[in-house]
Amino acid sequence: AQRVTQPEKLLSVFKGAPVELKCNYSYSGSPELFWYVQYSRQRLQLLLRHISRESIKGFTADLNKGETSFHLKKPFAQEEDSAMYYCALSHRSRGSTLGRLYFGRGTQLTVWP
Amino acid sequence: KAGVTQTPRYLIKTRGQQVTLSCSPISGHRSVSWYQQTPGQGLQFLFEYFSETQRNKGNFPGRFSGRQFSNSRSEMNVSTLELGDSALYLCASSDSGTGETQYFGPGTRLLVL
Repeated sequence: AQRVTQPEKLLSVFKGAPVELKCNYSYSGSPELFWYVQYSRQRLQLLLRHISRESIKGFTADLNKGETSFHLKKPFAQEEDSAMYYCALSHRSRGSTLGRLYFGRGTQLTVWP
Repeated sequence: KAGVTQTPRYLIKTRGQQVTLSCSPISGHRSVSWYQQTPGQGLQFLFEYFSETQRNKGNFPGRFSGRQFSNSRSEMNVSTLELGDSALYLCASSDSGTGETQYFGPGTRLLVL
């Protein structure tokens, strides 16, 4: 069964410190992995997806199929990075899970000044 | 392009009533997914519609139903409301739903008294 685990419910760092939000998944096929972010009073929005291999707002995430992880990293956290971060998994090929995202429970990141 | 819109934004109902929520996807998007967000359960998938057909369904009781119109707009209905149905209901749209990025609406916050 598909499962996304974010082990940290809360994470606090100081401005300028590195930050890593952990995400582990279980999935038998070839998943599509995403990181979504929800800033205070804003809608859920895509931060990045593994297939594009982009760096958005200084964040990067590498898919490690061996460890089934997709950790989100940023070398120098900023106060405006404070938000709720969700890791999500989608099934890429045709099948019963088409168009469905499996979300982790989220990690609330707080960056202190 | 205009983003995903949801109406109404807030709703208060009493137990036993029914409710209909509406979602207008981004122009050109044919897949619409619905999610329920609660503090206790996080983000849970309700169902997905593509070209007016329900393509996927989550583990929710039959009281939760939906439909999609020819213009891709979607509605979800909850009958015989229970206190536990109080949640933020999110709608997301994507082009085809096949592992593509989903774009979320602001949500409808439902309170059942």
